Amino acid sequence: DIQVTQSPSSLSASVGDRVTITCRASQPVGSYLAWYQQKPGKVPKLLIHSAYTLQSGAPSRFIGGGSGTDFTLTISSLQPEDVATYFCLTYNTPPWTFGQGTKVEFK
Amino acid sequence: QIHLQESGPGLVKPSETLSLTCSVSGGSVTSDYWSWIRQAPGKGLEWMGYIYYSGTSRYHPSLKSRVTISVDTAKNQVSLHLTSVTPADTALYFCARDLGVGGAGSLDIWGQGTMVIVSS
Repeated sequence: DIQVTQSPSSLSASVGDRVTITCRASQPVGSYLAWYQQKPGKVPKLLIHSAYTLQSGAPSRFIGGGSGTDFTLTISSLQPEDVATYFCLTYNTPPWTFGQGTKVEFK
Repeated sequence: QIHLQESGPGLVKPSETLSLTCSVSGGSVTSDYWSWIRQAPGKGLEWMGYIYYSGTSRYHPSLKSRVTISVDTAKNQVSLHLTSVTPADTALYFCARDLGVGGAGSLDIWGQGTMVIVSS
């Protein structure tokens, strides 16, 4: 099975900051990597799939990058509504594997 | 617009079988793959498995001996059965449309989830 390491586990930033979250897969997954946002008590929302494709309706400040084993989610300018936990998901080969999550908070 | 709604008992006794249903509206269950995902309280997300209406399915190895996912095309529903549950199976259970098989996307549409507590 593919193992996924997501970092950091949490971060604090200010409105307008550029924020980057990383996921590393234990073996290459091509571009089969997605990013989700989950607000407290809410359903996970797909932001990015296929490593860098912005899901319809997701704000353009969310930018996905990487391929192979190393991937990033960048929030280009952090907004108040971006406070949430972010998860990556690999779906190259079953079992699909989620990262451990990154909790984004404001300073 | 596809809408998913999970349903089932909120309380299951240890050693019994957990059975949940995901009702699909606004689309056909025969059109896509469907996955179940769970989230223990305060924890991360765990993919449990997927199914296609033809019967093609894959399960997480850690659950493989206990989990079965099925499709009822007449009712337009996807079901999850998890046997021999323990308190560790207490979680919020989600169903989702799975576009990841074939690489067309990922888990893009989710239900609201249903909470299941395993306790005597």
